[in-house]
Amino acid sequence: GENVEQHPSTLSVQEGDSAVIKCTYSDSASNYFPWYKQELGKGPQLIIDIRSNVGEKKDQRIAVTLNKTAKHFSLHITETQPEDSAVYFCAAKYSWGKLQFGAGTQVVVTP
Amino acid sequence: DSGVTQTPKHLITATGQRVTLRCSPRSGDLSVYWYQQSLDQGLQFLIQYYNGEERAKGNILERFSAQQFPDLHSELNLSSLELGDSALYFCASSVGVQEETQYFGPGTRLLVL
Repeated sequence: GENVEQHPSTLSVQEGDSAVIKCTYSDSASNYFPWYKQELGKGPQLIIDIRSNVGEKKDQRIAVTLNKTAKHFSLHITETQPEDSAVYFCAAKYSWGKLQFGAGTQVVVTP
Repeated sequence: DSGVTQTPKHLITATGQRVTLRCSPRSGDLSVYWYQQSLDQGLQFLIQYYNGEERAKGNILERFSAQQFPDLHSELNLSSLELGDSALYFCASSVGVQEETQYFGPGTRLLVL
């Protein structure tokens, strides 16, 4: 079936530390894995994505890794800042353009 | 700002009523997607349109319907509203069917009393 599991559900980190969020997916046909950041009262904002022919992608303080054999992918945020506080969602693309989302991770960065 | 616009931002209505949510995709995008976000169900895919035609259906109730017009804007119609329909409704758009990157609008918050 189409299922994306995301852990942890909440993550509290000190400013400057790293944050890691992990997701697993069920359908081996998935080939696109985006990450979205959602701030209070706003729509999800794409922050980084990775395609199945790539194992790792980095954009400044954000990186995503993909292990297709194990069907899991992770988001890494380094040198966290208070403005990184938000809910983060992973997703996997299934049929046509449908995205199956994880349940979300509430990240709180404390100064 | 993603370039996707949604109206209205907030909607308060009563059970049994019907509402229409509107979405304008980013300039040049042909695909429109509708998602529902509730506290207990998370972000759920409802339906996708591409260039005016329905392409994929998710967990969309029979009381809900959508369409995409020739100018590519889309409307989501919710009828016979129930308390449980209270949620955030997001529209997203992408260039085409194969183009994966979806950009989300700011959402419409629906409250059914």
